[in-house]
Amino acid sequence: DTAVSQTPKYLVTQMGNDKSIKCEQNLGHDTMYWYKQDSKKFLKIMFSYNNKELIINETVPNRFSPKSPDKAHLNLHINSLELGDSAVYFCASSQDQGGAWEKLFFGSGTQLSVL
Amino acid sequence: DQQVKQNSPSLSVQEGRISILNCDYTNSMFDYFLWYKKYPAEGPTFLISISSIKDKNEDGRFTVFLNKSAKHLSLHIVPSQPGDSAVYFCAASKRRGAQKLVFGQGTRLTINP
Repeated sequence: DTAVSQTPKYLVTQMGNDKSIKCEQNLGHDTMYWYKQDSKKFLKIMFSYNNKELIINETVPNRFSPKSPDKAHLNLHINSLELGDSAVYFCASSQDQGGAWEKLFFGSGTQLSVL
Repeated sequence: DQQVKQNSPSLSVQEGRISILNCDYTNSMFDYFLWYKKYPAEGPTFLISISSIKDKNEDGRFTVFLNKSAKHLSLHIVPSQPGDSAVYFCAASKRRGAQKLVFGQGTRLTINP
């Protein structure tokens, strides 16, 4: 009964390939996110969707394209993978509580290695 | 341009003693701060938070202190237990309800028996 689940857990691929990471949450939350943990271990937000609508799009190459078919799913598609894309990608979700701070619930991460 | 920094990559503490994890931030507009805990092969989980209108928030063995003038916060764990061994991330936001948390790079805490 994982609250936020993402697949795959590990992804090893060649430069130039296209790959997708899937994320699903069963918490009934209306906001979902993608975070990237870089080589220096900082967790940085990439995208945020609220009820399937993109609300945060940080400075991310347009090779990264999030897709939210419904509010329980937020997938991340990456085109033309580069060595620098190697990182751990975390999906997260939260519930808007009308101005009160909502906690983020994270998935267990996808370790992407581009060779 | 890292707005939230945790300058100690690791910390080792004896079981039963106090663990103190530190975090510094540069953006004076941050007004809400959180700590997350992460075990290997798992995602971060929320631990404790504090609003900028307070200087202390306590939850069981965990206490977060905020020093706004120094732009510094700390997490105290007392007494430390082996299950506390994890990576701790500090995070900050500019307003409540904001959907963009800025994280530090984490501190690995090891509790020795």
